[in-house]
Amino acid sequence: DTGVSQNPRHKITKRGQNVTFRCDPISEHNRLYWYRQTLGQGPEFLTYFQNEAQLEKSRLLSDRFSAERPKGSFSTLEIQRTEQGDSAMYLCASSSLPTGDMNTEAFFGQGTRLTVV
Amino acid sequence: AQSVTQPDIHITVSEGASLELRCNYSYGATPYLFWYVQSPGQGLQLLLKYFSGDTLVQGIKGFEAEFKRSQSSFNLRKPSVHWSDAAVYFCAVASLGRRALTFGSGTRLQVQP
Repeated sequence: DTGVSQNPRHKITKRGQNVTFRCDPISEHNRLYWYRQTLGQGPEFLTYFQNEAQLEKSRLLSDRFSAERPKGSFSTLEIQRTEQGDSAMYLCASSSLPTGDMNTEAFFGQGTRLTVV
Repeated sequence: AQSVTQPDIHITVSEGASLELRCNYSYGATPYLFWYVQSPGQGLQLLLKYFSGDTLVQGIKGFEAEFKRSQSSFNLRKPSVHWSDAAVYFCAVASLGRRALTFGSGTRLQVQP
């Protein structure tokens, strides 16, 4: 399977614990995005990388959240001191660089569902 | 700031009937528009996209969408719905300067036999 891969698929954690999610993008894609989706809502943008550089962070990304993309390949999203409000589906997507003014399609992984108890 | 409104939270249609899902966007310049579908346990799958050119775009699974700049709309249509089309549909917008997608809240489609 050469799509976007996310691990783990499900994570249950106690409030206050730290969690880390991994995303492996499609191999030739330079851009990688993280989104969060709560029940009944559309995905909300968290942050994105172009290669290893983190180019934009949403205001949704509090100080407890950190994302990395070392070497411009896989990415990790860490949440420290989890809260019940962090319970959501965390989606990763990747895309190639735009050509001229053409945007390019983002391919999504199946997500990591986080439940904070 | 860009935003997307999907006015219909839930739509039910009979199998074989036509379908139109509404999407309105707010963005000052020419937007890049997308429709994604999310089935239970599945990731988001792109149905179609509009960047420029012909305002009627064709997508996968028999879907099409029409970009109407005057109405700031990008409605999704399908002439004959199949039971397998039951899912949640998301409209999304991106821009030249901001590649990340802004999604609507989605429309859940239920298909009656």
